[in-house]
Parts: sequence; structure tokens; C-alpha cells
Amino acid sequence: QKEVEQDPGPLSVPEGAIVSLNCTYSNSAFQYFMWYRQYSRKGPELLMYTYSSGNKEDGRFTAQVDKSSKYISLFIRDSQPSDSATYLCAPKTSYDKVIFGPGTSLSVIP
Amino acid sequence: NAGVTQTPKFQVLKTGQSMTLQCAQDMNHNSMYWYRQDPGMGLRLIYYSASEGTTDKGEVPNGYNVSRLNKREFSLRLESAAPSQTSVYFCASSPGLQETQYFGPGTRLLVL
Repeated sequence: QKEVEQDPGPLSVPEGAIVSLNCTYSNSAFQYFMWYRQYSRKGPELLMYTYSSGNKEDGRFTAQVDKSSKYISLFIRDSQPSDSATYLCAPKTSYDKVIFGPGTSLSVIP
Repeated sequence: NAGVTQTPKFQVLKTGQSMTLQCAQDMNHNSMYWYRQDPGMGLRLIYYSASEGTTDKGEVPNGYNVSRLNKREFSLRLESAAPSQTSVYFCASSPGLQETQYFGPGTRLLVL
């Protein structure tokens, strides 16, 4: 079993839809959870950063962590074509490097 | 403030040729990383440097060498390129080993 898993997609949605991107992990020591966004032919950039379980909201984006089921979600409200990218979940412990998931490709159709 | 820069942006090599990918950061970060990214494989860590003067192997180090030249610069060398090394290479840096990483724009390498 890989340490971090994501459905690779591609996920295609119409503009304005609510998008749910999901990630599962196996290491119960993960305490910090990040989402990176990677546009085509660009480097990944940090989008959201959360600690432990719960929700964090930033504009149209909400990150949700359920440590009991080792499940992480990123919700995008009112999705825009500019949200078309690959989204990488990236959990880490307090003592080691970030681990990157394989990413989910999202396409928002105008 | 440029963040993380990488050179070259694109390179074509023939099998057996050597080359060095350059990476520099201006954020005064202690830790630096080299990843490769292939379709369906995600980011795979090649080597990393926790701090100036140290380097360690990552998940896929075979066929690569690295040099942490100083705090700013971390280079990746392919001594004898193989077609299997065709990939997009990303350099990243972070304040410390356990902290958030910031990525460069990538180098696209094609080995024929």
C-alpha cells in the first residue's frame, strides 16, 4: 500500500460546480496536511495548510481532515476554469519530510 | 525576490551524455530537494540536503549525484544519461527539513 493515495482522474466538471478532491493515507503519525496546486508545465505551489483534524476555509477552498479514517478532502466552491490544475495532497509528521501524493487532475469546463 | 530558480528550462541529451541541472534559492532556506515527476508516478524524491554540507538519498537516487555548493545552490548531475531519465525535474527548498517546501519551475529533460 502506498503511503498517500489519490484518484488520478482526470476529473472534469462544469464551471460553477462544487469539486471534491480526496486523499487517503496510511501513516497515523501524519499531523500536518497540505494541498499543493500544480498548473500545467509549472512547479507545485502551496494552496492550503492545516494541522490535525477539522476544517480550514480560505476563500472558495475548504480543506477537511479526518484523522480517524485517515482521509483528507479539498472542496472547491464555485469552480472556475482557472482552477484547472493537478492537486497534490501532502501530509507530514512533525519530524520528517513532506510526502506527496500522486495528484488528481481537474478540468473545469466553461 | 525570485524564490527558487532552475536552469536550464529544457534540455535534450543523447544516451551516455552527462549534464548538470542547476538550482538556486534566495529565501535563506536550509533544506533543498530534487524530485522527478513522471506521468502517473507523481513526485519522486531523488536526493535532498537537510542543511549546507549534507546530502542524503531519496526514493530514486540511482544514476544521479548531487552537490550542495553553498546554502543557496544545489545541483543535480547525470553522469551518463539514459532514456529512463527522461522526465521533468523539480528543485524545491524549505526553511527546515520538516517544513513546507517551495518549488522551482522545473527542467524538462529528454534523453534520446
